[in-house]
Amino acid sequence: DGGITQSPKYLFRKEGQNVTLSCEQNLNHDAMYWYRQDPGQGLRLIYYSQIVNDFQKGDIAEGYSVSREKKESFPLTVTSAQKNPTAFYLCASSIGRTGRRQPQHFGDGTRLSIL
Amino acid sequence: AQSVTQLGSHVSVSEGALVLLRCNYSSSVPPYLFWYVQYPNQGLQLLLKYTTGATLVKGINGFEAEFKKSETSFHLTKPSAHMSDAAEYFCAVSVEANAGKSTFGDGTTLTVKP
Repeated sequence: DGGITQSPKYLFRKEGQNVTLSCEQNLNHDAMYWYRQDPGQGLRLIYYSQIVNDFQKGDIAEGYSVSREKKESFPLTVTSAQKNPTAFYLCASSIGRTGRRQPQHFGDGTRLSIL
Repeated sequence: AQSVTQLGSHVSVSEGALVLLRCNYSSSVPPYLFWYVQYPNQGLQLLLKYTTGATLVKGINGFEAEFKKSETSFHLTKPSAHMSDAAEYFCAVSVEANAGKSTFGDGTTLTVKP
């Protein structure tokens, strides 16, 4: 079955440490997204990518970095500059520019906590 | 710019009662509208979408929503609530110029009482 796989499901970070969240999709989608979800705040866009080797900042990119070296992969690094990283992180994908009316497909998320 | 407002962060209904979750949007161009459902510790799943055409759209699990341009609304309804409908629901808006990016509302948590 096609879908989006996020790993790990739970992740713990020590102060001053960078961590990388994995997101892989086999839907052949061009566009991929990273969201942060906090209670009562909905989904906030961190970064998105419309095509391989290209990505743009979303609304809350500070303290995060991404790469898009392959179409199916869009890893997110939470750097030590992100002072409040505890949250639920969701990765999503969509067909892309040719299918702007299409919905996004989501992974099951990674919950990041500070030790 | 586009935005979404979901009225009511928590809605509680009895099993078998009508479910009504409210969503209003703001957009200067024709919007594409979506409702998603999220169960605890999971990602979002698409319930239904409006792009063009018929303003009453039907989705999965018996849900439907009506696009009302004059009211800038896209409320989600279900005639009879089931216990399994308890979840968080998100309304989202997208526009053609934004290359598929969606703006999400803050979500509404639906509780279903037996």
